[in-house]
Amino acid sequence: GEDVEQSLFLSVREGDSSVINCTYTDSSSTYLYWYKQEPGAGLQLLTYIFSNMDMKQDQRLTVLLNKKDKHLSLRIADTQTGDSAIYFCAESPANQGGKLIFGQGTELSVKP
Amino acid sequence: GAGVSQSPSNKVTEKGKDVELRCDPISGHTALYWYRQSLGQGLEFLIYFQGNSAPDKSGLPSDRFSAERTGGSVSTLTIQRTQQEDSAVYLCASSLVGGAQETQYFGPGTRLLVL
Repeated sequence: GEDVEQSLFLSVREGDSSVINCTYTDSSSTYLYWYKQEPGAGLQLLTYIFSNMDMKQDQRLTVLLNKKDKHLSLRIADTQTGDSAIYFCAESPANQGGKLIFGQGTELSVKP
Repeated sequence: GAGVSQSPSNKVTEKGKDVELRCDPISGHTALYWYRQSLGQGLEFLIYFQGNSAPDKSGLPSDRFSAERTGGSVSTLTIQRTQQEDSAVYLCASSLVGGAQETQYFGPGTRLLVL
């Protein structure tokens, strides 16, 4: 079946790195996504990784994918207070029209 | 152009009433998705449209929920005989042609409260 798991909370100090972890179950998923949701705002796509990659870097964001273990992580370097938000991991199972299966979301709190 | 818009932004209704939630996708996007975000269930897929047809309705929680899309554009999600457990934020997203490789653009959501 399809299931995505994330830890619910993460607290870091400003300037530290944050690492948010996610596990998924559907090995057919060819794309895996990270979305960000700020209070009162909609979901914003942060980054995605194709399943034949094991790493993708985009400015302060690094995505690592371990396809064998079905483990995905998002690292935010030099975390700022403006990064405080809920981060959702999502998989998109193959041949299902692009529907997204989301994790529960990790609430990131950045303390000054 | 404009992003995905949804209306109303907030809806308070009494248990047993019907509600209609509207989604205006990005112009030219053929794929449209409805999701629900609630405290107990997280963010869950409801239904997906490709044009005016819905190839995947697997996420609709009961037969009280239905959705339609007309003219390949606007979509309406209808909840009949609302229950308190229907209280949630209903999110709509659209993408150009649909598929796992495409970015879905989300609207701001409709916050539904059933009293």
